[in-house]
Amino acid sequence: DQQVKQNSPSLSVQEGRISILNCDYTNSMFDYFLWYKKYPAEGPTFLISISSIKDKNEDGRFTVFLNKSAKHLSLHIVPSQPGDSAVYFCAARALISSGSARQLTFGSGTQLTVLP
Amino acid sequence: GAGVSQSPSNKVTEKGKDVELRCDPISGHTALYWYRQSLGQGLEFLIYFQGNSAPDKSGLPSDRFSAERTGGSVSTLTIQRTQQEDSAVYLCASSSTRGMYNEQFFGPGTRLTVL
Repeated sequence: DQQVKQNSPSLSVQEGRISILNCDYTNSMFDYFLWYKKYPAEGPTFLISISSIKDKNEDGRFTVFLNKSAKHLSLHIVPSQPGDSAVYFCAARALISSGSARQLTFGSGTQLTVLP
Repeated sequence: GAGVSQSPSNKVTEKGKDVELRCDPISGHTALYWYRQSLGQGLEFLIYFQGNSAPDKSGLPSDRFSAERTGGSVSTLTIQRTQQEDSAVYLCASSSTRGMYNEQFFGPGTRLTVL
């Protein structure tokens, strides 16, 4: 039962264009969402996050959009650069009532290739 | 070091042997997580330690898997009688507990290959 789904295993984009990575979730208890980027032989590194009380969060070239009614989020990278080529994981977290942090539920990842 | 470290970086073992994987979290981080990533899959949660509380073991796939965290710092993940399906990259992450939303910082992982 995949609670976080990334249906596109790969995406290729021309340098300078927009990259859009999509993620869907099923668990309505998720209230915090994150995107991680992973290069080969390295651990995932945090990229950007969004709380469920927002519908957009922007950080430089990266913007995350959240559509709660559709249980869908997306990561936009513009303009895309060859150094952005990596695997991007969408992750979600449900906070328990005491407010302590719990584990992340990850999607299967999307390999982004930015072509020069 | 400033980040999460894991050792070994690579481990090749024979089916049936036991293995131990080590994680050194960021100093001062009270929360520690183990995940694994099998080929072509996302990261799968295994176990979570938070301070002195009992660990959340809900993600461990079988009783061959166990983990401990000594002194609230270093953690060891042990896999007994390894099977070929245990082959994966095992990732450790740590986070602080300040604030409601706590970014998890990941180590580089241990690639386990069971022959």
